[in-house]
Formats: sequence, structure tokens, C-alpha cells
Amino acid sequence: ETGVTQTPRHLVMGMTNKKSLKCEQHLGHNAMYWYKQSAKKPLELMFVYSLEERVENNSVPSRFSPECPNSSHLFLHLHTLQPEDSALYLCASSQSPTGGYEQYFGPGTRLTVT
Amino acid sequence: GENVEQHPSTLSVQEGDSAVIKCTYSDSASNYFPWYKQELGKGPQLIIDIRSNVGEKKDQRIAVTLNKTAKHFSLHITETQPEDSAVYFCAASRTEYGNKLVFGAGTILRVKS
Repeated sequence: ETGVTQTPRHLVMGMTNKKSLKCEQHLGHNAMYWYKQSAKKPLELMFVYSLEERVENNSVPSRFSPECPNSSHLFLHLHTLQPEDSALYLCASSQSPTGGYEQYFGPGTRLTVT
Repeated sequence: GENVEQHPSTLSVQEGDSAVIKCTYSDSASNYFPWYKQELGKGPQLIIDIRSNVGEKKDQRIAVTLNKTAKHFSLHITETQPEDSAVYFCAASRTEYGNKLVFGAGTILRVKS
């Protein structure tokens, strides 16, 4: 595997379910990100992790809970979601959390909340 | 905070023609401006970036220009090809605040052959 991988690629869940999204980067990077991509809206940065510590939390509802157990893996735990949370969730990584470094994106998880 | 507006939202061009996408930003202290290309079923991929200390950067058929006074920057694609069809996103950031990008809403580019 190379680059940034995400699983699952598609997920349908009810509002009372609990599920997790997984991201893995094979680039030796030190920073990882979660973004939300909704139709016709800009990508929204949700969380930033640097060396397994959360350095950014952009006022994301608590029903989204990130976890970064090591510098290669990032999870997004989901519970009691709302239909408006349906979107493409993208994971990215960069060599450094310092500004100006290229971010490498995974293919995303298409989430549908019913 | 920073706000980035991107125009047009959709753009159709004939193969071989040029395409121009424009973005404006609100924070005059922003100093890093990348452009990402997203193909169907894939995540965005960086195609070119520019920093505030230069006014223009070129890479083969792709160029980006920056006007700091007017706070706008543009992506220029020359000799467009069908494989250029994708969604293009501009972004802006202040590098002293970390690698936190603020994205535009995207432009769907269709190149007709």
C-alpha cells in the first residue's frame, strides 16, 4: 500500500449506530487531518493531529470523536449522527504540521446517515 | 478568519483552449496558496502552489498568478486536454498558524473533445 488509505470507502448508518472510519498513511508523515466534504461547499477542516497530539479542533460536534494511536493511523469515531452529517470524509497527511507543506489526501469515505 | 471565494463554479472549454479559475481571499496576511485537483472517486491532489513572495509560478501547462494588493490568485491551464476534466480547489493559509488550509468551494472543469 502506498500513500493514504481509508476504510471503508462507503458507509451507511442509522442515527443510533456507532461506527468508525479508519485512515492509514504510508508516507512517514508527522501530521494527519480529517476533513468533511459536502456537495457544493468548501472542504471543512475538522481535526489536526501532530505526532499523535490533537492540535486543532474546529468546533466539531462531540458526536465526532477522533483518535490517533500513532503517527500512521487516524480514526474518526461516529455516534448518534444526524442526516446532515452525510458527506465525504477525507483524511490527509503532511510531512509536518508547519504551514506550507503539501497535504496528501486519501480517497475518502462516503458516509450516508439514514 | 480567512474566507476564500472561487469562481466560476463550473467551466466548460473546448479541448486545446485555455481555462482560468479565480479565487479571492480576505486575510491580507495569508501567504501560501495551493491549488488541488480532485478526480472522480479520488481525494484532492496538489497540482501547484505559490507563496506570497512571488507573483507567478509555472509548471508546464499550468500557471498560477498572485495579486497581493487585490487579494486574488488565479489558476491558468493552457492547451486543455480531456484528462484535465476534474474539480479544482484553491486554498489559502497563514503559514505561521500551521498547515491549516481554507478552501474555496471548487470549480468543475469540463474539457470537451
